[in-house]
Amino acid sequence: EAGVAQSPRYKIIEKRQSVAFWCNPISGHATLYWYQQILGQGPKLLIQFQNNGVVDDSQLPKDRFSAERLKGVDSTLKIQPAKLEDSAVYLCASSLDRVFANTEAFFGQGTRLTVV
Amino acid sequence: GQQLNQSPQSMFIQEGEDVSMNCTSSSIFNTWLWYKQDPGEGPVLLIALYKAGELTSNGRLTAQFGITRKDSFLNISASIPSDVGIYFCAGQAGLDSNYQLIWGAGTKLIIKP
Repeated sequence: EAGVAQSPRYKIIEKRQSVAFWCNPISGHATLYWYQQILGQGPKLLIQFQNNGVVDDSQLPKDRFSAERLKGVDSTLKIQPAKLEDSAVYLCASSLDRVFANTEAFFGQGTRLTVV
Repeated sequence: GQQLNQSPQSMFIQEGEDVSMNCTSSSIFNTWLWYKQDPGEGPVLLIALYKAGELTSNGRLTAQFGITRKDSFLNISASIPSDVGIYFCAGQAGLDSNYQLIWGAGTKLIIKP
């Protein structure tokens, strides 16, 4: 079974530039998560999709971050404009469903973003 | 954002030693998950726990879902060099929290040469 695919693996941009990350979840997984992981910390949820609908985006800085999952499969996360403090690893994860107790999230390798 | 209290923050151990780490929460969880993250990789699920008091093993790893449902423990027996990495706990409550996973800050395991 193929895992969660993310691209690019690494990205370096200047502050105030825009950047986009792409995620392809495990086939059949209804729930997709985007996490931000700052060095030395645990993952912080940015947004959670159930199929193509947003379930939770309470911690997404909506003035500069946006995400979509138009067909309920792939997803993109965009930052516009980037700030220095956005430097982090952006992890995508997917799970069968958010509800059932036997659901676990599987992670991609992440995109390491450096804003200079 | 909300996080669990995970301890210790880091551990320096000798190869062959047993390791223990834990997570505590002020709120009740229905699910506890333990992940390991290697450098440059995403977290990988080690053990999932679904019932209070549950004890589950995965090779040399054993995890327990605390009776109070507010804590969980992970033990690694006879550590080996490939155990090095960062271990995260994550808890999931229920509908009130949108089934969101709440994460600990991680325990970094370092094996002394």
